[in-house]
Amino acid sequence: DAKTTQPTSMDCAEGRAANLPCNHSTISGNEYVYWYRQIHSQGPQYIIHGLKNNETNEMASLIITEDRKSSTLILPHATLRDTAVYYCIVRVGGSGTYKYIFGTGTRLKVLA
Amino acid sequence: DTAVSQTPKYLVTQMGNDKSIKCEQNLGHDTMYWYKQDSKKFLKIMFSYNNKELIINETVPNRFSPKSPDKAHLNLHINSLELGDSAVYFCASSTRGELFFGEGSRLTVL
Repeated sequence: DAKTTQPTSMDCAEGRAANLPCNHSTISGNEYVYWYRQIHSQGPQYIIHGLKNNETNEMASLIITEDRKSSTLILPHATLRDTAVYYCIVRVGGSGTYKYIFGTGTRLKVLA
Repeated sequence: DTAVSQTPKYLVTQMGNDKSIKCEQNLGHDTMYWYKQDSKKFLKIMFSYNNKELIINETVPNRFSPKSPDKAHLNLHINSLELGDSAVYFCASSTRGELFFGEGSRLTVL
């Protein structure tokens, strides 16, 4: 019951911006979009999340379209250490009952 | 000081055995989760507990029984292990925002 679709893989040159797209066309009005990444088989790590507005933190920027049917995660200056699987997630439910539904992930390879 | 810790990290066992994986979080979060990651890296939610109460049970076979003795702990017991149970099991916790994951427990059923 994945609510998101992502490309299977992408390459990016080191130092360039990595733009990872995600479609979530069935998202509801109060459902947040989260992004996580997983390096090798470690536990997934939080990157960023948003509802309607674009968001930026020290790791990345999140651009959400006005209709909220898609979003893009931007890593502004990709490094080799950013090579990982990036998951776009929709959080459904209410406080205490949140369910974080993972997409199939995009395998990002940053090339030297 | 690890926020979400799971034990054991690796578990190799025979079909038909019963095994448990333990999870503890020291973040003071109310909600804890178990996710299963298969060989294709798909992360699927199995269970969630909020303040020791079962909230989500994603049609997981009843061979899987979670137990939450208190809100800092969520254990997963698996009876009669099958080959298809081989996976990495991740524990996670959250309050109202970010989900914090443990490092995973890799279960191999032979």
